[in-house]
This record gives sequence, structure tokens and C-alpha cells, in this order.
Amino acid sequence: DIQMTQSPSSLSASVGDRVTITCRASQSISSYLNWYQQKPGKAPKLLIYAASSLQNGVPSRFSGSGSGTDFTLTISSLQPEDFATYYCQQSYSTPQTFGQGTKLEIK
Amino acid sequence: QVQLVQSGADVKKPGASVKVSCKASGYTFTGYYMHWVRQAPGQGLEWMGWINPNSGDTNYAQEFQGRVTMTRDMSISTAYMELSSLRSDDTAVYYCARGDGSYSPDWGQGTLVAVSS
Repeated sequence: DIQMTQSPSSLSASVGDRVTITCRASQSISSYLNWYQQKPGKAPKLLIYAASSLQNGVPSRFSGSGSGTDFTLTISSLQPEDFATYYCQQSYSTPQTFGQGTKLEIK
Repeated sequence: QVQLVQSGADVKKPGASVKVSCKASGYTFTGYYMHWVRQAPGQGLEWMGWINPNSGDTNYAQEFQGRVTMTRDMSISTAYMELSSLRSDDTAVYYCARGDGSYSPDWGQGTLVAVSS
């Protein structure tokens, strides 16, 4: 199975900050990398697919980059509604696997 | 718009089985895989497998092989996930998610399954 490792596991930031979350795969997954946002008690929401494509309706302050084994999710200017947990997911091979999550909290 | 509506919460005893349903609307049910993902309390996301609603083909994570069965009823655009021999560590919220290529843009609201004696 492909292991996905996110860092950091948690992060405190302020509204307006630029934030970067990284995700590393245990082997190359090309660009088969998705990012999801999850708020308490809610289903995950797709933000970025194929490493860098912005899902319809997602604000442009979210962006993704990377290929192979190293990927990043960047939020250019944090908004109050962005405080949530973020997961990366590889869809290169089954079993599809998720990172352990990054909890983004208000400083 | 795409909607995935799941069945309600359930409580089961250890050793029992649970069957969660996921009714799809707003798209061609047979045109997209359906994935199942679970999340234990306070934990991360765990992929369980997918079903191709058109053919009925399935692909299960090794961890669940022999205990999970994913089926569908095309006549009512509904997918099902049945998990047997339940243990306390199967307590989780179970999600269905429409697969669009290599990603899942649409998710059900989640179904809490609690396993307790």
C-alpha cells in the first residue's frame, strides 16, 4: 500500500496568513493526488484534484502543486471559514489512501 | 444537482452485520463508480473500496476482504455497503462518495454505525 504522510499534523495561523501543507507519498503517484477539507460533523469536501486542478466553486485562494512523491496545498490568505482539517488522498492505486490529516486552527 | 442520501444511524452488537444504503440522484447512477470511506471517532479517513454500478464489479481494501460486500440496485439508483462480523473498532461514520475519474467530488452525509454490547 502507498503511505501518505502529511505535515504538519496541526497548525495555528491567523486570518490573512499564507499557509502551506505538505503531503509525501511513499512511492511515485504521478499527479494522482487530491486534497479535501473537512469540518466537524461534515463530509469531506473536494478542493483540489489531480494535484493542481481547482474543483468548481472552490475559492482561488486554494492552490495545489507537485508531482511524483511531493505535493503541497497552499491557502494564500486564510479566511475564517478555512479553519478545518485537510486531507490528501492518492488515487494512483488501490487501496486509495489518505494522509493522517492536518488540523488548521485559529491562532 | 448531485445528491447522495445515506440511511440513518444504526447501533449493532459485536458479531452482527450492518447494511448502509446510499441513494443517488442528479446524475446517471451507472456512469460513475461509488466509493465507500469510513472515519472512526476523532480519526482520519479510511478507504474501504468501490463498486462499479454498471457492471457490479467491486474492489475492496485488503483490510475488509471477507467482511465487506458492496452491491447496488440500479432500478432505484442505490448503492449498499454491508459489513459483517462487526467489532467495536468498526464504530465509525461511513460515507459513500461518487467517483469521477480519480477523485470524488460528491459525498453522502455520512452514516454513524456504533458497535456496542
